[in-house]
Amino acid sequence: GAVVSQHPSRVICKSGTSVKIECRSLDFQATTMFWYRQFPKQSLMLMATSNEGSKATYEQGVEKDKFLINHASLTLSTLTVTSAHPEDSSFYICSARRFVISPLHFGNGTRLTVT
Amino acid sequence: QKEVEQDPGPLSVPEGAIVSLNCTYSNSAFQYFMWYRQYSRKGPELLMYTYSSGNKEDGRFTAQVDKSSKYISLFIRDSQPSDSATYLCAMPENSGYSTLTFGKGTMLLVSP
Repeated sequence: GAVVSQHPSRVICKSGTSVKIECRSLDFQATTMFWYRQFPKQSLMLMATSNEGSKATYEQGVEKDKFLINHASLTLSTLTVTSAHPEDSSFYICSARRFVISPLHFGNGTRLTVT
Repeated sequence: QKEVEQDPGPLSVPEGAIVSLNCTYSNSAFQYFMWYRQYSRKGPELLMYTYSSGNKEDGRFTAQVDKSSKYISLFIRDSQPSDSATYLCAMPENSGYSTLTFGKGTMLLVSP
């Protein structure tokens, strides 16, 4: 149980375009979903916390207008990278948890390359 | 002082060895602890979590927590080449469990 599906696994886009990444909890309802970014050989950097039906909470330094998060249901959250630039190229990973005191379960990540 | 410290490695061992992976933390409020395994270009996979001090065993894996020393360990018995991955420890950032704090991860290489 506790499967989190993330799509797409890899995407290449041109500078200036927008990219949407989906995160689904397949076999449980996620009260909270999280979006992380990971650079090579670095740990996970939390970007934002997303609660169903409310606005996402962004970490300091993360531009909310650039990284749009929508958490429309208890099983789906989306991250849209708007007006992508090459420096946005990274590995984006979502995670979800059932309850407050629950371990996180991660998707398999999305490798974004902006050319 | 960083809240969670973890040696980045790489840690290289021969197949069959016992592996010890460790994290130290500074926030005494941390109450539960997780270990994740991350293969290259994949998301982290939950291995074990524990809410208390002492040992918790699951197959070849044993998680150990020493709250008095603020030290947690993950032991892998009979290590296999398929165990080669980066191992991350994680713990809640605060008593509200709102977010997790991750170590930077230790890369483990198990050679056949």
